[in-house]
Amino acid sequence: QTVVTQEPSFSVSPGGTVTLTCGLSSGSVSTTHYPTWYQQTPGQAPRTLIYSTDTRSSGVPDRFSGSILGNKAALTITGAQADDESDYYCVLCLGSGVRVFGGGTKLTVL
Amino acid sequence: EVQLVESGGGLVQPGGSLRLSCAASGFSFSTYSMNWVRQAPGKGLEWVSYISGGSSTMYYADSVKGRFTVSRDNARNSLYLQMNGLRAEDTAVYYCARDASNNWYGPVVYWGQGTLVTVSS
Repeated sequence: QTVVTQEPSFSVSPGGTVTLTCGLSSGSVSTTHYPTWYQQTPGQAPRTLIYSTDTRSSGVPDRFSGSILGNKAALTITGAQADDESDYYCVLCLGSGVRVFGGGTKLTVL
Repeated sequence: EVQLVESGGGLVQPGGSLRLSCAASGFSFSTYSMNWVRQAPGKGLEWVSYISGGSSTMYYADSVKGRFTVSRDNARNSLYLQMNGLRAEDTAVYYCARDASNNWYGPVVYWGQGTLVTVSS
């Protein structure tokens, strides 16, 4: 069974840049997996940040960007702010209609 | 404004059944595919099921296949999830989620606030 991998945790300084990644236990992530990124704070529903690799969802500031880096999808946050401290999830479409979420990355801004 | 409002969650015994509903508004419901996504307490997100705009195509996660059934009523702008044979590991907040278009690859761009399902004796 294919597993979608994310860093369990990451830390960034205010104003800094951080890149979170989303990989596959076997194989490379490509645009055909339609990587999508979500942000979630405790007790809240997820918020869609980036879809189809690099398209920002409505209202998402341009300091959030998506890409493919090497064999993984990546979410880059530039100029990190205190309210970026959240859990970040990626999801990949693995074919036959199946979507699989990564385990999430807990981002700390300090 | 897109709104998705889930209902039907609650406490159910192992082996029992529950039907979740999602009332949609603010968009042309029949032209978008829909999903259910769940989140166990303190855990990550898990995609559960997908249904196309015209109900011709449904997909399920392996963990619920054969036990859960997704359906929709476009005349009522409503999405449903019939859950049978519930297990303790099905305990989660269940989110109704709308895709950006009517495609199997989504992506989900709108989320409801979720309804909690607790499976316990």
